[in-house]
Amino acid sequence: DIVMTQSPDSLAVSLGERATINCKSSQSVLYSSNNKNYLAWYQQKPGQPPKLLIYWASTRESGVPDRFSGSGSGTDFTLTISSLQAEDVAVYYCQQYYSTPESFGPGTKVDIK
Amino acid sequence: QVQLVQSGAEVKKPGSSVKVSCKASGGTFSSYTISWVRQAPGQGLEWMGRIIPILGIANYAQKFQGRVTITADKSTSTAYMELSSLRSEDTAVYYCASCSSGSCYFWGQGTLVTVSS
Repeated sequence: DIVMTQSPDSLAVSLGERATINCKSSQSVLYSSNNKNYLAWYQQKPGQPPKLLIYWASTRESGVPDRFSGSGSGTDFTLTISSLQAEDVAVYYCQQYYSTPESFGPGTKVDIK
Repeated sequence: QVQLVQSGAEVKKPGSSVKVSCKASGGTFSSYTISWVRQAPGQGLEWMGRIIPILGIANYAQKFQGRVTITADKSTSTAYMELSSLRSEDTAVYYCASCSSGSCYFWGQGTLVTVSS
């Protein structure tokens, strides 16, 4: 099974500042035949289901603000919020869908400083 | 736009089973997979399994193998997740999600299952 880790566990960022979340997989999630990374990022606010932000590691889902961006390849990935807004307070999860079980990282809680 | 509506909260005794439904509207039910993900109180997300409705083929996380059954009824666009031999550690919110190429675009509202004697 692929194990996903995230860092930090939590972070507090001032409004308008950059937030960076890291995600690491225990093995590569890059599928060589199509050169795609099978990695997604989700945002979850209290009492709500997760919301897809990014798929294929760097493709923003329709309607997601462009302050959210994903990068990385292979085993190391990053979610960046370029200018934190109050509505971005949430827990963020990475998930690999390269192989089953489609495992999630433990989550990173983002707060306002 | 796919909408997923799940069945209501359940309270179950240890050792019993629970069956949660997930009814889809909008989109074409058979054109995507349905995954089930659970979240224990204050904890992270845990993938349980998925089904490809058009094929009726399900995959399960090893952790739940033998205890979970995921099915889909194409005639009613409804997916089901049944978990047996319930224990207190199964207390969680259970989500269904419609996924394409692994990314889950639409989620149900969640169903709280409480296991308590």
